[in-house]
Amino acid sequence: EVQLVESGGDKVQPGTSLRLSCAASGFTFDDYVMHWVRQAPGKGLEWLSAISWRSEILGSADSVKGRFIISRDNAKNSLYLYMDSLTTDDTALYYCAKGGYGGALDHWGQGTLVTVSS
Amino acid sequence: DIQMTQSPSSLSASIGDRVTMTCRASQSINTYLNWYQQRPGEAPSLLIYAATTLQSGVPSRFSASASGTDFTLTINSLQPEDFATYYCQQSYTRPSTFGQGTKLEI
Repeated sequence: EVQLVESGGDKVQPGTSLRLSCAASGFTFDDYVMHWVRQAPGKGLEWLSAISWRSEILGSADSVKGRFIISRDNAKNSLYLYMDSLTTDDTALYYCAKGGYGGALDHWGQGTLVTVSS
Repeated sequence: DIQMTQSPSSLSASIGDRVTMTCRASQSINTYLNWYQQRPGEAPSLLIYAATTLQSGVPSRFSASASGTDFTLTINSLQPEDFATYYCQQSYTRPSTFGQGTKLEI
């Protein structure tokens, strides 16, 4: 069974940084593209970034480009999102997701909450 | 970036009804269109990928179609667990983009 478990969410002040983690199990992690998606409170889904099995970054949303960096450690079956210069607009539930056929996101974690507030 | 527009934003229906919702892409995305269901308090789950292919384990009352840049999700014989928000996503180019969602309510 595929499992994705996010961690690292916290309440932080504007301008600070944070690193999220996603622990993967139940599939061959280094065979798949992985993604980060977020959802602000009461809002829709926003795709953030994706990374190939060999750590090639496959794009980022304009809203986070230059501030958020996706990475992975295949030896640890883990995905990461380093977030810098956080603003209140970054307050959201952050999901990691496994890439599937044609870029679909076929499995999702339960999310980790990031709150940016002074 | 490719814009995805879903309609309607919300939809009221009853158990047993058949409902249809649409997603329009701002430019051609071939069939790189995926549909997700998100129940309140839960993570999204994949329903349909490649515009018309049912994800494993998804009930057959869900179906989808495509015509150019217009995509449709249909749910036959609504069940209580189907009341949720539905999102489309284009995976043709990056950045990938989601529609704003259609909330299906009783």
